[in-house]
Amino acid sequence: NAGVTQTPKFRVLKTGQSMTLLCAQDMNHEYMYWYRQDPGMGLRLIHYSVGEGTTAKGEVPDGYNVSRLKKQNFLLGLESAAPSQTSVYFCASSPQSRWPQHFGDGTRLSIL
Amino acid sequence: QKEVEQDPGPLSVPEGAIVSLNCTYSNSAFQYFMWYRQYSRKGPELLMYTYSSGNKEDGRFTAQVDKSSKYISLFIRDSQPSDSATYLCAMTIQGAQKLVFGQGTRLTINP
Repeated sequence: NAGVTQTPKFRVLKTGQSMTLLCAQDMNHEYMYWYRQDPGMGLRLIHYSVGEGTTAKGEVPDGYNVSRLKKQNFLLGLESAAPSQTSVYFCASSPQSRWPQHFGDGTRLSIL
Repeated sequence: QKEVEQDPGPLSVPEGAIVSLNCTYSNSAFQYFMWYRQYSRKGPELLMYTYSSGNKEDGRFTAQVDKSSKYISLFIRDSQPSDSATYLCAMTIQGAQKLVFGQGTRLTINP
């Protein structure tokens, strides 16, 4: 049982570079989420999706874009990375919004 | 004021102690309540899921919801060093599209 898989696990970028974080789930869940977790800030929702082909903004969407072209995949893009985006990024999925979310093990991203 | 308040700790207790972790919230419409455990360098994993008020027990863990006080608790009995982790509360409303998380409490159980 893979559950939620995030790729890559670690990455170091230079300011201004772009990259895409991939999240894949094998549970046939409708809902998928991207969070960032920073010390003292808890989990903050970046973007989410309520089904294939849909996306919506969370509380900290600026500087990020997402796509959900396939039900099992949710991509998070940074077009021009900034040091303020140094964080641990978590992807999660759930069958319905009120059900618990299943999390991946995170991507640790450092931007120099 | 945050919708969900959780003391970040850190909280340090001796092995075998009873641990009480708490969250308060401001939105009386919250109906579904969760506790997650997060080990260092791992993603959060679900511990307990409860609906509305009352208690739910699972092994050494008990989740308690008091909707009249807008207060939820997680009790850990006979705490073990392996319980050392960050514990996050989360809650939501029927029809809402996302969860609201507390900040997390860092817990250390000392052998």
